[in-house]
Amino acid sequence: LAKTTQPISMDSYEGQEVNITCSHNNIATNDYITWYQQFPSQGPRFIIQGYKTKVTNEVASLFIPADRKSSTLSLPRVSLSDTAVYYCLVGDPSGTYKYIFGTGTRLKVLA
Amino acid sequence: NAGVTQTPKFQVLKTGQSMTLQCAQDMNHNSMYWYRQDPGMGLRLIYYSASEGTTDKGEVPNGYNVSRLNKREFSLRLESAAPSQTSVYFCASRKGSEAFFGQGTRLTVV
Repeated sequence: LAKTTQPISMDSYEGQEVNITCSHNNIATNDYITWYQQFPSQGPRFIIQGYKTKVTNEVASLFIPADRKSSTLSLPRVSLSDTAVYYCLVGDPSGTYKYIFGTGTRLKVLA
Repeated sequence: NAGVTQTPKFQVLKTGQSMTLQCAQDMNHNSMYWYRQDPGMGLRLIYYSASEGTTDKGEVPNGYNVSRLNKREFSLRLESAAPSQTSVYFCASRKGSEAFFGQGTRLTVV
């Protein structure tokens, strides 16, 4: 399973775009990149998943460069309610059962 | 459609007591997981089950046992609770790259 590295914490202000980068230097060919969001006292919640280039949904965008050794989660115009911990995971969705979370990035959105 | 359901939500144990945390999912997923999360920390994988009838150790299995009773249910047992096992325990099931989590069990061992 590819190891991931993220910043421990980030601060931002309401209305700003936030970009959280995850490094995964030993990503395998079949691996997908998945991001989760966790609020205090809740289990993590799936945000977005991608394999290459760019993926966008109603919540976020995920940018993956051609070498796939990193990925960037982009949260447009954050609000106070986006304050949470964000986790990046890498693995083969069809074969990686040992689903291990990294340390995550603690995002604090300020008014 | 309840998703992943954990019981109980809260539990206080005395050191040395045993208990079983229950988890059930109604999404027909093959793989299920147990994690623990200590205050201010990330999730650590205790055990997982790739399919009914199989279980494997995760990152921190010592002090725990699991049972994959059927496709729906995956239980976690503490045979002799220790204060170091005070934590929030999350159960999850997974399909593809997306995992679905229960609401957690907050366990305190005194």
